[in-house]
Amino acid sequence: KQEVTQIPAALSVPEGENLVLNCSFTDSAIYNLQWFRQDPGKGLTSLLLIQSSQREQTSGRLNASLDKSSGRSTLYIAASQPGDSATYLCAALYSGGGADGLTFGKGTHLIIQP
Amino acid sequence: SAVISQKPSRDICQRGTSLTIQCQVDSQVTMMFWYRQQPGQSLTLIATANQGSEATYESGFVIDKFPISRPNLTFSTLTVSNMSPEDSSIYLCSVDETQYFGPGTRLLVL
Repeated sequence: KQEVTQIPAALSVPEGENLVLNCSFTDSAIYNLQWFRQDPGKGLTSLLLIQSSQREQTSGRLNASLDKSSGRSTLYIAASQPGDSATYLCAALYSGGGADGLTFGKGTHLIIQP
Repeated sequence: SAVISQKPSRDICQRGTSLTIQCQVDSQVTMMFWYRQQPGQSLTLIATANQGSEATYESGFVIDKFPISRPNLTFSTLTVSNMSPEDSSIYLCSVDETQYFGPGTRLLVL
């Protein structure tokens, strides 16, 4: 069974710190891996998508890495801001056609203290 | 990028009743998916809504409980039937491989 695990489940840090969220997946035969942000009462916002052939993707203060051989991905957030407070979800896609949908981790609930 | 809307955004229902959730996309898409997010849990795929054929359900989900329609390439509905408090969740639809998500429908069953 394909599983995605996220550590830590919750994290609270002062504003301005750099931080790393971790994601691991049991089956290395992924097609791509995505990081999402979920705000309370809202849907999911895709932050970064890494194809299986890529090692990392960057968008602004966010950098996501992918290591298929070890079954791990990390989301690095630089110079954190209170607006970064949200739940961050990691999700793996295991089929190229997308027919199987995404397998999600349980998320990391992030609080950035002003 | 696809823009996805869902109706209703939230609802409170009595046990034993059914609720139909609508998902509308602003462009034609090949695949539409329905997910459930129970309180404190991650998202779990319920089924893939196929245009012109029956939906494909994941293990643990059955058509009698979660009937799905996909009448065209921009619209799908998910019905939660004979609801119980355990069905209280956020239900989200998404589209295609890049997985754009709708805003979700928050369902509370009393």
